Amino acid sequence: GAVVSQHPSWVICKSGTSVKIECRSLDFQATTMFWYRQFPKQSLMLMATSNEGSKATYEQGVEKDKFLINHASLTLSTLTVTSAHPEDSSFYICSASHPGQEIYEQYFGPGTRLTVT
Amino acid sequence: AQTVTQSQPEMSVQEAETVTLSCTYDTSESDYYLFWYKQPPSRQMILVIRQEAYKQQNATENRFSVNFQKAAKSFSLKISDSQLGDAAMYFCAQEDTDKLIFGTGTRLQVFP
Repeated sequence: GAVVSQHPSWVICKSGTSVKIECRSLDFQATTMFWYRQFPKQSLMLMATSNEGSKATYEQGVEKDKFLINHASLTLSTLTVTSAHPEDSSFYICSASHPGQEIYEQYFGPGTRLTVT
Repeated sequence: AQTVTQSQPEMSVQEAETVTLSCTYDTSESDYYLFWYKQPPSRQMILVIRQEAYKQQNATENRFSVNFQKAAKSFSLKISDSQLGDAAMYFCAQEDTDKLIFGTGTRLQVFP
């Protein structure tokens, strides 16, 4: 149980376009989802915390107008990278908190590799 | 701000041997949670073990155990009887107001 999926697993887009990444909790309802960014050979950096039905809480330094997060249902959160540029190329990982456990118990998706050309 | 430090960028171990990965953290809280996550080449984050700070007993999960020193704010991971499948990046993480703060990671190589 507690499976989190991401789609797509890999996406290439042209500079200036927008790309949407989906994060789904497959067998549980997640009231809270998290979005991370991971550069090559580096750690995971929390970008934002997403709560179902409310606006996401962004970490300091993360542009909320560039990284749009929507958590419209208890099983789906989306991250849209708007007007993508090559420096946005990275590995994006989402995680979800299981409602039956403490919020810090996070289950991670397999990640999405974004390449902006 | 809370920080998590992993001072060993890379470690290596012979198969069947034991290796210890270091982690230190900084917090003013008295009750919190600590985690070790494994990230294999597939990039899927896998929870290895967790420790609750108010518990003095060190957590153990099969071949994985921790040495939790609360006063020293140290949280090391010991892998016994290392296997080739243990090769991965290992991240130490601390729970901070419902968020996870990750260390910089240690790449573990396992040699046959």
